[in-house]
Amino acid sequence: AQSVTQPDIHITVSEGASLELRCNYSYGATPYLFWYVQSPGQGLQLLLKYFSGDTLVQGIKGFEAEFKRSQSSFNLRKPSVHWSDAAEYFCAVARGFSGGYNKLIFGAGTRLAVHP
Amino acid sequence: GAVVSQHPSRVICKSGTSVKIECRSLDFQATTMFWYRQFPKKSLMLMATSNEGSKATYEQGVEKDKFLINHASLTLSTLTVTSAHPEDSSFYICSAISSTNYGYTFGSGTRLTVV
Repeated sequence: AQSVTQPDIHITVSEGASLELRCNYSYGATPYLFWYVQSPGQGLQLLLKYFSGDTLVQGIKGFEAEFKRSQSSFNLRKPSVHWSDAAEYFCAVARGFSGGYNKLIFGAGTRLAVHP
Repeated sequence: GAVVSQHPSRVICKSGTSVKIECRSLDFQATTMFWYRQFPKKSLMLMATSNEGSKATYEQGVEKDKFLINHASLTLSTLTVTSAHPEDSSFYICSAISSTNYGYTFGSGTRLTVV
């Protein structure tokens, strides 16, 4: 079964600093990879996704992520963090979109705090 | 874009009563919807996969008689928490797959409090 690991439970950065959130997955083939953001008491908003092709994916709000097959990683990055980026970030993986492969499995999440 | 509406956003119920949560895909047809449960400051735990016109598939450890799922149309799935108890208090989130953008769209969640 696939699994997702987000090693960092909490991260604190200063506003304007760069950010990298780590995500590692466990799955034999190339999975479908996602990053979501959640504000307190809210649902999830998709930041970006990777299915195939260019391994560097651009998302909304200035975020990007790079798929590295050799490291089974899909780390999320942002060059300059804004105070409004403070939230919970979830990495998620699915094996496909049909049959029994479409379950979306989430990592534990990384809580991002931004200092002014 | 794909939009999923989840209702109610908050509900408080008495112990022993049942609560129904609705999840609607507003601008697309969703043959498959998912129900998640999220504990405070925790990740999302998949409870079940809901397929239109068939029985839901529950994850291991999820009581199917406690959490009844119905997906009677291509735009609506419901989760009914039966005989709710305080330990069922949680944040429940639904999501649906859109075949147009191959993405998972999430509802805004339902905060259930059982008193």
